[in-house]
Amino acid sequence: EVQLLESGGGLVQPGGSLRLSCAASGFSFSNYFMIWVRQAPGKGLEWISTIASTTYYRDSVKGRFTISRDNSKNTVYLQMNSLSPEDTAIYYCAKYIYPSPTVTRVFDTWGQGTMVTVSS
Amino acid sequence: EIVMTQSPATVSVSPGERVTLSCRASQSLSSDLAWYQQKPGQPPRLLIYGASTRATGIPARFSGSGSGTEFTLTISSLQSEDFAVYYCQMYNSWPLTFGGGTKVELK
Repeated sequence: EVQLLESGGGLVQPGGSLRLSCAASGFSFSNYFMIWVRQAPGKGLEWISTIASTTYYRDSVKGRFTISRDNSKNTVYLQMNSLSPEDTAIYYCAKYIYPSPTVTRVFDTWGQGTMVTVSS
Repeated sequence: EIVMTQSPATVSVSPGERVTLSCRASQSLSSDLAWYQQKPGQPPRLLIYGASTRATGIPARFSGSGSGTEFTLTISSLQSEDFAVYYCQMYNSWPLTFGGGTKVELK
């Protein structure tokens, strides 16, 4: 069974840092691009970052967040620095529907999410 | 950034009814449009991609159509498990963007 499991969320003060992890199983992880998407409480979905042959970020997190992966551990990470209350959300990782290389930026498997709360 | 606008924000439907959800893009997407379903406390679930291709395991009552800037998701006969929020997502350029969602609720 294809699965993604996020961890690393929690309560952090403004200006603080967190590193989220997403452990993958049930598929050939190294062959797939991965993404992070977040959802603020009661709000819609917001794409944050993609790790493909290169990395991509939305403007509001560029320079503060870093996506990376360790194929030996089947894990993708999101390092988040200089956090602000506006970053409070559930953070989901997801996999591309097709193995790389692909431009079909569509996501067929999602984790259950990890909650990040930025508050003093 | 391409802005995705979904309408209506909420639709009230009875089981067995047909429902059509709309998604409009601020620029042409060709057919690079996906639809997701999200239920409370759950992650999104991929329904449709390429504007009209059903994802694996998605029932035939879900269908997508459109191209360019206008897209629709149709549920031909709403089942109880279909009450949820539906999001469209564009993917022909960066940044990837989602619509604000349409909530399908019980009438």
